[in-house]
Amino acid sequence: EVQLLQSGGGLVQPGESLRLSCAASGFTFSNYAMNWVRQAPGTGLEWVSSIGGNDGKTYYSDSVKGRFTISRDNSKNTLSLQMNSLRAQDTAVYYCARKKGGYYGLDNWGQGTPVTVSS
Amino acid sequence: EIVMTQSPVTLSVSPGGRATLSCRASQGVNSNLAWYQQKPGQAPRLLIDGASTRATDIPARFSGSGSGTEFTLTISSLQSEDFADYFCQQYESWPWTFGLGTKVEIK
Repeated sequence: EVQLLQSGGGLVQPGESLRLSCAASGFTFSNYAMNWVRQAPGTGLEWVSSIGGNDGKTYYSDSVKGRFTISRDNSKNTLSLQMNSLRAQDTAVYYCARKKGGYYGLDNWGQGTPVTVSS
Repeated sequence: EIVMTQSPVTLSVSPGGRATLSCRASQGVNSNLAWYQQKPGQAPRLLIDGASTRATDIPARFSGSGSGTEFTLTISSLQSEDFADYFCQQYESWPWTFGLGTKVEIK
């Protein structure tokens, strides 16, 4: 069974840092691109960042570029999102999700982890 | 950035009825379009990708169509568990973008 188990998140002050993790199981992790998507309270979904399966190529939304870093450890089946210089606008539930390849959607999602940035 | 516009914002349908949801892209996305269902407090669930391919374990009452800039998600006979929010997403080009969603509610 495919599982994406998220950890991290919580309440931080503006300007602080936080690290999210996503532990994958039940599939060959390196065969999938991995992604972060967030959802601010009462709003829709926003793509945040993606990382390729084997090539590790990374992509970021303009809203987080230069502040967030996505990474993966294929030996430990783990995805991470290092979030620095957090802003109130980053407050959201963050989801990790996998994607098989170019023609496919985000077919499995983590349970989500809330991040609140507030003084 | 490709803007995804969903309509209507809210759709009221009777159980057993038919729901037709629309998604329009500001630029062509070929068939690189997915639909997701989300219920309160849950993660989104993939329904359709490639504009028309049902994901694993998705019932046949869900169908997707379209290509380029105009897409449709049809739920042929609404069951109680289908009342939820639905989002479209393009993955043709970076940044990937989502529509703001359609809420399907009980009439």
